[in-house]
Amino acid sequence: QQQVKQSPQSLIVQKGGISIINCAYENTAFDYFPWYQQFPGKGPALLIAIRPDVSEKKEGRFTISFNKSAKQFSLHIMDSQPGDSATYFCAASARGNNRLAFGKGNQVVVIP
Amino acid sequence: DTGVSQNPRHKITKRGQNVTFRCDPISEHNRLYWYRQTLGQGPEFLTYFQNEAQLEKSRLLSDRFSAERPKGSFSTLEIQRTEQGDSAMYLCASSLERGGSTDTQYFGPGTRLTVL
Repeated sequence: QQQVKQSPQSLIVQKGGISIINCAYENTAFDYFPWYQQFPGKGPALLIAIRPDVSEKKEGRFTISFNKSAKQFSLHIMDSQPGDSATYFCAASARGNNRLAFGKGNQVVVIP
Repeated sequence: DTGVSQNPRHKITKRGQNVTFRCDPISEHNRLYWYRQTLGQGPEFLTYFQNEAQLEKSRLLSDRFSAERPKGSFSTLEIQRTEQGDSAMYLCASSLERGGSTDTQYFGPGTRLTVL
């Protein structure tokens, strides 16, 4: 079963706009939540990650918002650029268990 | 380049043949992971090593699959008697275990396997 669920499946955003991708999880043992970016034919690259002791983390144009009670977290891409067009995966893992459980991915297309 | 490297990048084989992939992790990383990714899906965990010890295997890893990390450095993933359902991108990742906290996994470019 899918341990981590992403929405929406795909997103089209105008250049300069905000891309928002949501992720939900069930396993309360998860304590590490990374977002990965993947371009066609490439491996996933870590964008930003958060642990449940904070509700928000920002790195450049990328922000993770985390809601522990709702078991949800989201990625916000500010000032979206055409180079941000990629597939974004949320993932989660539990302390003591290093396997990452990935969502199915969201394809983001930024149009000029 | 000091990232994770994988070879070959692409492999086309006929059903029933054996294939072997190699992964070279980031040099100081003691953990190495294998994942499989099919089209339109996220990566799925297959197995991981801490140094040379294989510590966990997913039930996705059938008995046709074997992975090794003989000296705690590079790793190989072998698939015997390949089937068309094995066609996927095989991803390797590595991390540095720092005692207690969850490590950041860094992925290689993957090996795309096509079984005809």
